[in-house]
Amino acid sequence: GQQVMQIPQYQHVQEGEDFTTYCNSSTTLSNIQWYKQRPGGHPVFLIQLVKSGEVKKQKRLTFQFGEAKKNSSLHITATQTTDVGTYFCAGPADDKIIFGKGTRLHILP
Amino acid sequence: GAVVSQHPSRVICKSGTSVKIECRSLDFQATTMFWYRQFPKQSLMLMATSNEGSKATYEQGVEKDKFLINHASLTLSTLTVTSAHPEDSSFYICSAPGLAGDEQFFGPGTRLTVL
Repeated sequence: GQQVMQIPQYQHVQEGEDFTTYCNSSTTLSNIQWYKQRPGGHPVFLIQLVKSGEVKKQKRLTFQFGEAKKNSSLHITATQTTDVGTYFCAGPADDKIIFGKGTRLHILP
Repeated sequence: GAVVSQHPSRVICKSGTSVKIECRSLDFQATTMFWYRQFPKQSLMLMATSNEGSKATYEQGVEKDKFLINHASLTLSTLTVTSAHPEDSSFYICSAPGLAGDEQFFGPGTRLTVL
């Protein structure tokens, strides 16, 4: 069946360093969504990308949707301690939404 | 790895009837589960946090009397949509956090269509 894979599973970065998580789908997606979960919390919607090659920015976060609409990335510039958490991508699949397993970001002070 | 199941995966009901959706953690215990709904082409919207052995916590704007949540055991939470109307038609998803609190396991979702 359709899969959405995220890498890396874990990432430790020094505060101030950049961070990127990648999301790959086995099939073309009509859109892709990104969520952030703070430790102990629930996933919160960040953004949705729809167009092929789309790039969107939210302050230090840059989201990209691949040309083939099968992959996406989230890049954080100059990480801060508030960026700690797990980042999930999710894409529609038939009548479902499929989530990646998430990338856990740890910030070292 | 941990798995969360939902049942049914799809349900069609008449307006005015009630529908129960089950969310189970299959190989781990979940004292907390989250319920979301998703309208077409939109993001997940958190509806409520289900707490085992206590009342659920509902998000602002979600009617607790309409969306009844019961978390009777460490592996099962249920969402009952009471007196369903066509505007309740949506995709409902549950999730459960892992032990460490930084993982989240999502159910496959339930498509509710109210005629």
